Amino acid sequence: AQRVTQPEKLLSVFKGAPVELKCNYSYSGSPELFWYVQYSRQRLQLLLRHISRESIKGFTADLNKGETSFHLKKPFAQEEDSAMYYCALGPSGGYNKLIFGAGTRLAVHP
Amino acid sequence: DAGITQSPRHKVTETGTPVTLRCHQTENHRYMYWYRQDPGHGLRLIHYSYGVKDTDKGEVSDGYSVSRSKTEDFLLTLESATSSQTSVYFCAITQREDYNEQFFGPGTRLTVL
Repeated sequence: AQRVTQPEKLLSVFKGAPVELKCNYSYSGSPELFWYVQYSRQRLQLLLRHISRESIKGFTADLNKGETSFHLKKPFAQEEDSAMYYCALGPSGGYNKLIFGAGTRLAVHP
Repeated sequence: DAGITQSPRHKVTETGTPVTLRCHQTENHRYMYWYRQDPGHGLRLIHYSYGVKDTDKGEVSDGYSVSRSKTEDFLLTLESATSSQTSVYFCAITQREDYNEQFFGPGTRLTVL
């Protein structure tokens, strides 16, 4: 079955500390992995897509097919990074459907 | 924001009443989706559409119906709202059929008393 697991509901760090938000997936085939971010009471917006291999707002994520993981990392957290982060997996059964993880809330304290 | 709006943005209703949420897009995208967002569950797909009058069920479709009579509008209806349908509802689109990235609307916060 296709599944996305984000094991941490809450990740609490201090400003300047490194951050790693974990994402593991289950998928048979060639997956596409995404990280979406949702700032307080705003719409979800795409942060990263594994194919593009970009660094956005200092965040990076590498797809590890051996470990079926797509962890999100940032070397030095900022207070403005506080948000809800969702890992998503596609395609799921055609029509560009995505499967989302339960999300991890990142809280960056001053 | 990929031209996606949702209405209403907030609604409080009573158990047993019908509720319709609207998703409107201005860029003629073919694929549209309705999700609900709940703590501990993330986003779960309710229904999706791949064209006018072409819709299908998602993961959590019980108690919901949809309609798409025009490309720009995708309506989600709760036939008889229940307290378990209290949630934040998001609409999304994909801009290209060969590209899985989804763009989201601002959300509708629905409270069923």
